[in-house]
Amino acid sequence: ETGVTQTPRHLVMGMTNKKSLKCEQHLGHNAMYWYKQSAKKPLELMFVYNFKEQTENNSVPSRFSPECPNSSHLFLHLHTLQPEDSALYLCASSRTPNTEAFFGQGTRLTVV
Amino acid sequence: QKEVEQNSGPLSVPEGAIASLNCTYSDRGSQSFFWYRQYSGKSPELIMSIYSNGDKEDGRFTAQLNKASQYVSLLIRDSQPSDSATYLCAAFNYGGSQGNLIFGKGTKLSVKP
Repeated sequence: ETGVTQTPRHLVMGMTNKKSLKCEQHLGHNAMYWYKQSAKKPLELMFVYNFKEQTENNSVPSRFSPECPNSSHLFLHLHTLQPEDSALYLCASSRTPNTEAFFGQGTRLTVV
Repeated sequence: QKEVEQNSGPLSVPEGAIASLNCTYSDRGSQSFFWYRQYSGKSPELIMSIYSNGDKEDGRFTAQLNKASQYVSLLIRDSQPSDSATYLCAAFNYGGSQGNLIFGKGTKLSVKP
């Protein structure tokens, strides 16, 4: 069992669809993150939650909506996405925001 | 704009050689630094963390930090073909309410048998 688990691993969705990405961590960490990884670009931090409270939102469009019901679970709700939103979406967790972050396997999202 | 810079490569080394990966960061206040390895199609995997000036060794990997020069490096001794991957440097940056982990674009390493 990996420490950070993401589902689904692959997702194809139309621009009018609504879908959600799920992340669960079994490491007892307090901070969880969503990152976006596009080709030829560095990892982009999208959202940070620390003790279930959102602490960072790096100018992410409102078509991405995070939810953190508890310290172990993190969701990313998607609606009316654009083709340029196609990317690898990575969840990560860490004990505190300035310590080692561990990544899930990622969700490869394709918007058609 | 706080940044982490890496040479994108590819860096090619023969099997058994030392691979040297370099990274610079712009925020002098950064305190924590990390190296991740990412195989094609996979997620980043933590290799090393380093918090103070000097060297930190773990098996075949050595991380080096020089805060005065704002420079972090990763040495891989006795490189193996299985080390072929993209290596991401990251620096924790105290900005916003809690700070952010800023990643470089990564250096692609190729170890030739």
